[in-house]
Amino acid sequence: GIQVEQSPPDLILQEGANSTLRCNFSDSVNNLQWFHQNPWGQLINLFYIPSGTKQNGRLSATTVATERYSLLYISSSQTTDSGVYFCAPIHTGNQFYFGTGTSLTVIP
Amino acid sequence: SAVISQKPSRDICQRGTSLTIQCQVDSQVTMMFWYRQQPGQSLTLIATANQGSEATYESGFVIDKFPISRPNLTFSTLTVSNMSPEDSSIYLCSVQLADAGAQYFGPGTRLLVL
Repeated sequence: GIQVEQSPPDLILQEGANSTLRCNFSDSVNNLQWFHQNPWGQLINLFYIPSGTKQNGRLSATTVATERYSLLYISSSQTTDSGVYFCAPIHTGNQFYFGTGTSLTVIP
Repeated sequence: SAVISQKPSRDICQRGTSLTIQCQVDSQVTMMFWYRQQPGQSLTLIATANQGSEATYESGFVIDKFPISRPNLTFSTLTVSNMSPEDSSIYLCSVQLADAGAQYFGPGTRLLVL
């Protein structure tokens, strides 16, 4: 399989602040997904992004597959953004490899 | 997308017993997966649930411990057998709607083994 590293591992933000989460992977990938796991454990799809940039409201993601990384941008953070963010590339076939996660806490 | 439900949502079990977790999808899907998430950890793939044939297990997971059924394209079960406290985790099923396509997760089953 491939190695997937996310940084930072932990992040504390003041409400309204912006942040960038990074996902590095060790090999070529067919696709990549970003998830938000809320405090109740539910995994929510954020982006399905093999390359390029996508935006959805206050969130956007960029994947540069040739350089083996993806970025998740959170702007004007809210307390409801708290939770763990995972990236999950698809290396071969249909198998997702989950990263180590970034735990985000947004304080009011 | 797909709507996925899991039962039970949580359970507390005694060591040595077994628990069967159900996963129901609102549409027919080819690919279904089972994951484990141990406390404070990332997700680890247990197996791919294959319809009409034996599941495909990842390294470190065996059928005797985690038997899986997939009787049709909308339903699967995962059994956690002969449980120990180390099996305390969140167990999640997921589906993939197309080859290399996006994956969607159920709400998870929180298991505590005493």
